[in-house]
Amino acid sequence: GAVVSQHPSRVICKSGTSVKIECRSLDFQATTMFWYRQFPKQSLMLMATSNEGSKATYEQGVEKDKFLINHASLTLSTLTVTSAHPEDSSFYICSAKTDFRTYEQYFGPGTRLTVT
Amino acid sequence: AQKVTQAQTEISVVEKEDVTLDCVYETRDTTYYLFWYKQPPSGELVFLIRRNSFDEQNEISGRYSWNFQKSTSSFNFTITASQVVDSAVYFCALSRKLTGANSKLTFGKGITLSVRP
Repeated sequence: GAVVSQHPSRVICKSGTSVKIECRSLDFQATTMFWYRQFPKQSLMLMATSNEGSKATYEQGVEKDKFLINHASLTLSTLTVTSAHPEDSSFYICSAKTDFRTYEQYFGPGTRLTVT
Repeated sequence: AQKVTQAQTEISVVEKEDVTLDCVYETRDTTYYLFWYKQPPSGELVFLIRRNSFDEQNEISGRYSWNFQKSTSSFNFTITASQVVDSAVYFCALSRKLTGANSKLTFGKGITLSVRP
Protein backbone atom coordinates (compact mmCIF):
# COMPACT_ATOMS: atom_id res chain seq x y z
CA GLY A 1 0.00 0.00 0.00
CA ALA A 2 0.89 3.64 -0.17
CA VAL A 3 3.45 4.86 2.31
CA VAL A 4 3.80 8.21 3.96
CA SER A 5 6.83 8.95 6.06
CA GLN A 6 7.45 11.61 8.65
CA HIS A 7 10.74 12.86 9.93
CA PRO A 8 11.72 13.07 12.68
CA SER A 9 9.61 10.61 14.62
CA ARG A 10 10.52 12.29 17.88
CA VAL A 11 12.06 15.64 18.61
CA ILE A 12 12.84 17.52 21.77
CA CYS A 13 13.63 21.18 21.50
CA LYS A 14 14.09 24.12 23.79
CA SER A 15 11.52 26.81 24.19
CA GLY A 16 12.00 29.59 21.66
CA THR A 17 13.57 27.47 18.97
CA SER A 18 11.99 26.33 15.69
CA VAL A 19 11.40 22.78 14.59
CA LYS A 20 10.74 21.46 11.10
CA ILE A 21 8.77 18.29 10.48
CA GLU A 22 8.80 16.65 7.06
CA CYS A 23 6.04 14.62 5.51
CA ARG A 24 6.78 12.61 2.38
CA SER A 25 4.64 10.45 0.18
CA LEU A 26 7.00 7.70 -0.89
CA ASP A 27 5.30 6.00 -3.78
CA PHE A 28 2.70 8.39 -5.08
CA GLN A 29 2.23 12.06 -5.82
CA ALA A 30 0.07 13.74 -3.23
CA THR A 31 -2.26 16.36 -4.58
CA THR A 32 -3.28 17.31 -1.07
CA MET A 33 -1.62 16.97 2.31
CA PHE A 34 -3.17 17.55 5.69
CA TRP A 35 -1.58 18.32 9.02
CA TYR A 36 -3.27 17.17 12.19
CA ARG A 37 -2.42 17.65 15.81
CA GLN A 38 -3.25 15.22 18.57
CA PHE A 39 -2.97 15.91 22.27
CA PRO A 40 -2.56 12.95 24.64
CA LYS A 41 -5.66 10.81 24.75
CA GLN A 42 -7.51 13.20 22.51
CA SER A 43 -8.75 13.32 18.98
CA LEU A 44 -6.99 14.51 15.88
CA MET A 45 -7.60 18.13 15.08
CA LEU A 46 -6.98 19.39 11.59
CA MET A 47 -4.51 22.24 11.51
CA ALA A 48 -4.19 22.98 7.84
CA THR A 49 -4.60 21.74 4.31
CA SER A 50 -1.85 22.18 1.78
CA ASN A 51 -1.75 21.75 -1.95
CA GLU A 52 1.44 21.67 -3.95
CA GLY A 53 2.55 25.07 -5.08
CA SER A 54 -0.09 27.05 -3.24
CA LYS A 55 -0.49 28.53 0.19
CA ALA A 56 -1.83 26.34 2.94
CA THR A 57 -5.35 26.79 4.20
CA TYR A 58 -5.41 26.97 7.98
CA GLU A 59 -8.26 25.97 10.21
CA GLN A 60 -9.81 28.55 12.44
CA GLY A 61 -7.74 29.21 15.52
CA VAL A 62 -4.47 27.92 14.08
CA GLU A 63 -1.75 30.57 13.98
CA LYS A 64 -0.35 30.81 10.47
CA ASP A 65 2.81 32.56 11.56
CA LYS A 66 3.53 29.97 14.19
CA PHE A 67 2.85 26.87 12.16
CA LEU A 68 4.44 27.41 8.76
CA ILE A 69 3.47 24.91 6.13
CA ASN A 70 5.27 24.51 2.84
CA HIS A 71 4.15 22.08 0.18
CA ALA A 72 7.16 22.38 -2.09
CA SER A 73 6.53 19.38 -4.29
CA LEU A 74 3.99 16.66 -4.91
CA THR A 75 5.79 14.38 -2.50
CA LEU A 76 6.90 16.71 0.28
CA SER A 77 5.21 18.97 2.78
CA THR A 78 6.88 20.53 5.79
CA LEU A 79 5.49 21.92 9.01
CA THR A 80 7.70 24.34 10.90
CA VAL A 81 6.79 25.17 14.45
CA THR A 82 8.34 28.58 15.04
CA SER A 83 9.37 29.89 18.44
CA ALA A 84 8.11 26.75 20.06
CA HIS A 85 6.67 26.79 23.57
CA PRO A 86 5.82 23.95 25.92
CA GLU A 87 2.15 24.18 24.97
CA ASP A 88 3.14 23.26 21.41
CA SER A 89 4.21 19.86 22.66
CA SER A 90 1.99 17.39 20.87
CA PHE A 91 1.77 14.56 18.38
CA TYR A 92 1.74 15.91 14.84
CA ILE A 93 0.40 13.69 12.10
CA CYS A 94 0.36 14.34 8.40
CA SER A 95 -1.70 12.65 5.77
CA ALA A 96 -1.38 12.63 2.04
CA LYS A 97 -3.83 11.83 -0.65
CA THR A 98 -4.11 11.74 -4.35
CA ASP A 99 -7.17 12.32 -6.41
CA PHE A 100 -6.07 9.72 -8.89
CA ARG A 101 -6.04 6.50 -6.95
CA THR A 102 -8.27 5.07 -4.31
CA TYR A 103 -9.04 8.46 -2.77
CA GLU A 104 -7.74 7.28 0.56
CA GLN A 105 -5.85 9.47 2.95
CA TYR A 106 -2.61 7.81 3.86
CA PHE A 107 -1.34 8.78 7.26
CA GLY A 108 2.22 9.20 8.35
CA PRO A 109 3.46 7.60 11.57
CA GLY A 110 3.42 10.91 13.42
CA THR A 111 6.02 13.11 15.08
CA ARG A 112 6.17 13.52 18.83
CA LEU A 113 7.27 17.05 19.66
CA THR A 114 8.34 17.91 23.17
CA VAL A 115 9.26 21.48 23.97
CA THR A 116 11.19 21.98 27.19
CA ALA B 1 -20.74 22.14 10.18
CA GLN B 2 -19.82 18.53 10.53
CA LYS B 3 -19.57 16.67 13.79
CA VAL B 4 -18.75 13.15 14.88
CA THR B 5 -19.71 11.90 18.31
CA GLN B 6 -18.25 8.85 19.91
CA ALA B 7 -19.99 8.79 23.25
CA GLN B 8 -18.05 5.84 24.61
CA THR B 9 -14.61 6.87 25.79
CA GLU B 10 -13.19 3.63 27.13
CA ILE B 11 -14.34 0.06 26.77
CA SER B 12 -12.79 -2.97 28.40
CA VAL B 13 -13.69 -6.50 27.42
CA VAL B 14 -12.35 -9.96 27.92
CA GLU B 15 -10.89 -11.75 24.95
CA LYS B 16 -13.44 -13.48 22.72
CA GLU B 17 -16.22 -11.12 23.71
CA ASP B 18 -18.01 -9.16 21.01
CA VAL B 19 -17.84 -5.39 21.28
CA THR B 20 -19.62 -2.59 19.46
CA LEU B 21 -18.17 0.87 19.08
CA ASP B 22 -20.75 3.55 18.47
CA CYS B 23 -20.48 6.50 16.13
CA VAL B 24 -23.06 9.20 15.51
CA TYR B 25 -22.49 11.92 12.97
CA GLU B 26 -23.99 15.25 11.96
CA THR B 27 -23.81 16.81 8.53
CA ARG B 28 -25.96 18.95 6.26
CA ASP B 29 -24.53 17.38 3.13
CA THR B 30 -26.49 14.76 1.24
CA THR B 31 -23.30 13.18 0.01
CA TYR B 32 -20.63 12.40 2.53
CA TYR B 33 -18.16 9.73 3.53
CA LEU B 34 -17.66 7.89 6.78
CA PHE B 35 -14.51 6.21 8.01
CA TRP B 36 -13.16 4.12 10.81
CA TYR B 37 -9.50 4.20 11.80
CA LYS B 38 -7.54 2.24 14.34
CA GLN B 39 -4.68 3.83 16.26
CA PRO B 40 -2.54 1.27 18.07
CA PRO B 41 -0.09 2.34 20.78
CA SER B 42 2.54 3.02 18.12
CA GLY B 43 0.43 6.00 17.06
CA GLU B 44 0.11 5.31 13.36
CA LEU B 45 -3.44 5.46 12.07
CA VAL B 46 -4.67 2.37 10.29
CA PHE B 47 -7.51 2.70 7.81
CA LEU B 48 -10.31 0.21 8.39
CA ILE B 49 -13.23 1.19 6.20
CA ARG B 50 -14.84 3.92 4.15
CA ARG B 51 -18.54 4.18 3.52
CA ASN B 52 -20.43 6.41 1.10
CA SER B 53 -23.64 8.08 2.22
CA PHE B 54 -25.58 6.56 -0.64
CA ASP B 55 -24.58 3.01 0.23
CA GLU B 56 -26.27 1.75 3.38
CA GLN B 57 -25.33 -1.83 2.86
CA ASN B 58 -23.66 -3.24 5.93
CA GLU B 59 -20.22 -4.69 5.55
CA ILE B 60 -18.35 -7.56 7.08
CA SER B 61 -14.64 -8.13 6.91
CA GLY B 62 -13.47 -11.06 8.94
CA ARG B 63 -14.20 -10.33 12.58
CA TYR B 64 -15.12 -6.74 11.77
CA SER B 65 -18.53 -5.55 10.74
CA TRP B 66 -20.09 -2.16 10.25
CA ASN B 67 -23.69 -1.07 10.54
CA PHE B 68 -24.54 2.13 8.69
CA GLN B 69 -27.98 3.62 9.33
CA LYS B 70 -28.79 6.97 7.81
CA SER B 71 -32.09 7.16 9.68
CA THR B 72 -30.23 7.43 12.96
CA SER B 73 -27.04 8.99 11.54
CA SER B 74 -25.01 6.17 12.96
CA PHE B 75 -22.10 4.14 11.71
CA ASN B 76 -21.33 1.53 14.34
CA PHE B 77 -18.43 -0.87 14.34
CA THR B 78 -18.55 -4.35 15.83
CA ILE B 79 -15.61 -6.59 16.57
CA THR B 80 -16.58 -10.22 16.97
CA ALA B 81 -14.54 -12.53 19.17
CA SER B 82 -12.20 -9.75 20.22
CA GLN B 83 -8.50 -10.39 20.58
CA VAL B 84 -5.79 -8.70 22.60
CA VAL B 85 -4.36 -7.28 19.37
CA ASP B 86 -7.57 -5.33 18.91
CA SER B 87 -6.59 -3.12 21.83
CA ALA B 88 -6.24 0.37 20.41
CA VAL B 89 -7.99 3.68 20.04
CA TYR B 90 -10.67 3.65 17.36
CA PHE B 91 -11.72 6.79 15.56
CA CYS B 92 -14.79 7.40 13.48
CA ALA B 93 -14.43 10.20 10.93
CA LEU B 94 -16.45 12.09 8.36
CA SER B 95 -15.57 13.98 5.18
CA ARG B 96 -17.59 15.92 2.65
CA LYS B 97 -15.69 14.84 -0.41
CA LEU B 98 -13.13 12.32 -1.51
CA THR B 99 -11.04 14.79 -3.44
CA GLY B 100 -9.49 18.15 -2.81
CA ALA B 101 -9.54 20.22 0.34
CA ASN B 102 -12.99 19.01 1.34
CA SER B 103 -11.65 15.53 1.75
CA LYS B 104 -10.34 16.68 5.13
CA LEU B 105 -11.51 14.50 7.96
CA THR B 106 -13.53 15.45 10.99
CA PHE B 107 -12.71 12.96 13.72
CA GLY B 108 -14.64 11.84 16.74
CA LYS B 109 -12.88 11.83 20.07
CA GLY B 110 -11.99 8.18 19.81
CA ILE B 111 -12.78 5.10 21.86
CA THR B 112 -10.05 3.34 23.78
CA LEU B 113 -10.64 -0.38 23.57
CA SER B 114 -8.81 -2.68 25.94
CA VAL B 115 -9.08 -6.40 25.40
CA ARG B 116 -7.91 -8.44 28.37
CA PRO B 117 -6.66 -11.99 27.99
